[in-house]
Amino acid sequence: AQTVTQSQPEMSVQEAETVTLSCTYDTSESDYYLFWYKQPPSRQMILVIRQEAYKQQNATENRFSVNFQKAAKSFSLKISDSQLGDAAMYFCAYRSARDSWGKLQFGAGTQVVVTP
Amino acid sequence: SAVISQKPSRDICQRGTSLTIQCQVDSQVTMMFWYRQQPGQSLTLIATANQGSEATYESGFVIDKFPISRPNLTFSTLTVSNMSPEDSSIYLCSARTGLDTGELFFGEGSRLTVL
Repeated sequence: AQTVTQSQPEMSVQEAETVTLSCTYDTSESDYYLFWYKQPPSRQMILVIRQEAYKQQNATENRFSVNFQKAAKSFSLKISDSQLGDAAMYFCAYRSARDSWGKLQFGAGTQVVVTP
Repeated sequence: SAVISQKPSRDICQRGTSLTIQCQVDSQVTMMFWYRQQPGQSLTLIATANQGSEATYESGFVIDKFPISRPNLTFSTLTVSNMSPEDSSIYLCSARTGLDTGELFFGEGSRLTVL
C-alpha cells in the first residue's frame, strides 16, 4: 500500500518570500501521478500542480514549482513570491497509474500562513 | 475540467437521523468518489461510485452506514445513516473525467455537524 507523508503541520511565510512544503511517499510502483492540492477556508479543493512520474522535468505553474526526486520518493512544492491568497491547507496526493479508477491518496496536509 | 456542486453545503443534524448529500457534475464523468474529512484532518476515501454498479467501499466503511447511489454519469448521492457525533465531518464529492489527466475535480464539500 502506498503512503503519503507530510511532516510539516504548519509553515509560515512573509508576503513576497518563498516557502517550500515537503512531501514523501512510499510506493513500489514506477508509474504514478503526484499532485499538490490547495484547500482554502472555503473548503474547495483546488489543483495546484501535477507531476507524472515518467517525466523527469519538474512541473511548474506560475509561482508554484515542484522538486520531484523519484529515487528519493520526494515531491516538494515551492511557492515563490507568496501572496496573502496563498494562505490555505496544502495536501500532497498520490495516484497509481495502475489504478484505472483513479482514486487519490492524500497526505496529512500542511497549513500555510502568509504574514504581511 | 468539471464543475461539481454539492447540496447541502452545511447542515446540523440530530443523533440517530440520516442525511443524503447530493453531488451534481456539469458534464459526464467516469468515476465518482466520496471522501470524508474529519475536523483538522486529511481526506479519507469512503467509496468509489461507478455508474450502473454498486459502489466499492474502502476498509472501515460499509454500505449500511454510507449507502451511495450513482444513477447516471453526472449525479451521485451519499447518505450518512444513523448519525452520531463522530460523523461530524466535511464530505467531499469528486470525479474523474473521461479525458483522464490524472487529477480529480472536487465539489465544495458538505459540512455536517451531528448533535
